[in-house]
Amino acid sequence: GIQVEQSPPDLILQEGANSTLRCNFSDSVNNLQWFHQNPWGQLINLFYIPSGTKQNGRLSATTVATERYSLLYISSSQTTDSGVYFCAVLQPYNNNDMRFGAGTRLTVKP
Amino acid sequence: NAGVTQTPKFQVLKTGQSMTLQCAQDMNHNSMYWYRQDPGMGLRLIYYSASEGTTDKGEVPNGYNVSRLNKREFSLRLESAAPSQTSVYFCASSDRGSGAYNEQFFGPGTRLTVL
Repeated sequence: GIQVEQSPPDLILQEGANSTLRCNFSDSVNNLQWFHQNPWGQLINLFYIPSGTKQNGRLSATTVATERYSLLYISSSQTTDSGVYFCAVLQPYNNNDMRFGAGTRLTVKP
Repeated sequence: NAGVTQTPKFQVLKTGQSMTLQCAQDMNHNSMYWYRQDPGMGLRLIYYSASEGTTDKGEVPNGYNVSRLNKREFSLRLESAAPSQTSVYFCASSDRGSGAYNEQFFGPGTRLTVL
């Protein structure tokens, strides 16, 4: 099946700093989603972005499908941004089989 | 709009006991999914139901059964729980419209411990 690799695995920032999280995938995809799992375990949808660039407030994401990677940018980080960020993609030939990366654990210190 | 709801939130079982995890969605979505999340890992697909009346295996189906009760509800059953099934279980749904669009939305999870 498709492989999804996220980097870095852990990231520690001071409040106000910017960061870039990366997601590489091993095959072409029709769907890519970014999620934030907060410290209470809830999964929050950030972006549905199979290609192109989207922005939502301090967060933005870019997917370059032809080069098989996606980037999540967090600007002016806040302590509430702490948690685990997951990238997930659908298997190329099964529109229901979504595979997750192992996540990037972000800690934002005040 | 509650979105995706799951019951129970927490459960402790003894090895060999059975239980059913319940999931419901009020977004009129066609597709529903069950995932498990083990410590330090991303989610892994157990089973899915692409539409009412159909179910299919995902990446890690062994030890589980599912039932798509109606369009709103999708349950996951552990017939004989094992310690390896200790995990957090998430239900999700999506509205697979035309083309490849398939954004999934997740419930709050059920934390299951098998002793």
